[in-house]
Amino acid sequence: KAGVTQTPRYLIKTRGQQVTLSCSPISGHRSVSWYQQTPGQGLQFLFEYFSETQRNKGNFPGRFSGRQFSNSRSEMNVSTLELGDSALYLCASSLQGGYNEQFFGPGTRLTVL
Amino acid sequence: AQSVTQPDIHITVSEGASLELRCNYSYGATPYLFWYVQSPGQGLQLLLKYFSGDTLVQGIKGFEAEFKRSQSSFNLRKPSVHWSDAAEYFCAVGGDTGGGNKLTFGTGTQLKVEL
Repeated sequence: KAGVTQTPRYLIKTRGQQVTLSCSPISGHRSVSWYQQTPGQGLQFLFEYFSETQRNKGNFPGRFSGRQFSNSRSEMNVSTLELGDSALYLCASSLQGGYNEQFFGPGTRLTVL
Repeated sequence: AQSVTQPDIHITVSEGASLELRCNYSYGATPYLFWYVQSPGQGLQLLLKYFSGDTLVQGIKGFEAEFKRSQSSFNLRKPSVHWSDAAEYFCAVGGDTGGGNKLTFGTGTQLKVEL
């Protein structure tokens, strides 16, 4: 089975722009979660989608949003980028409802100039 | 609120030596516990997990971890470290928060292996 894929792998944007990141989960997985990793704050949970519905949300401003499609692929969007949004954004997928182990993709490295 | 503490930011061991990485957690209910490893520029790879049952769990690459409820700990161990084990290691806790998946991570331990 193919693993979790994330596109693009690297992205450079300027302040004030918006960005969309994409995640394709492992085939058959219905839950997709997003995490932000920075040297200062470490790994932080952004949100989780299951069956096209946001099921959990972390403590991030409304500039961070996401969605999930019927094929379980997910996108996250960050509007009005700030320098502090520079980070590695990791997507993780898991099988279904309840609690399951999460499998992570390689991440998208976002740099905001 | 759930939290994870990894008290060691950096650890250096010699190749062939034993390893123990510490992890303490805070969680109101029965925790699900994980250890992940991250190589530079890569995503996270699951080493092992504890959901229930036997408190000593075996993982990939020769790693094991022991869940100690009384100490709220889930320390990772390996009897003999290989140079390829150099990476960053993250302990994480999760649980059934109303049916959702959410992991809370520790700050990580950077492992350096001396040849």
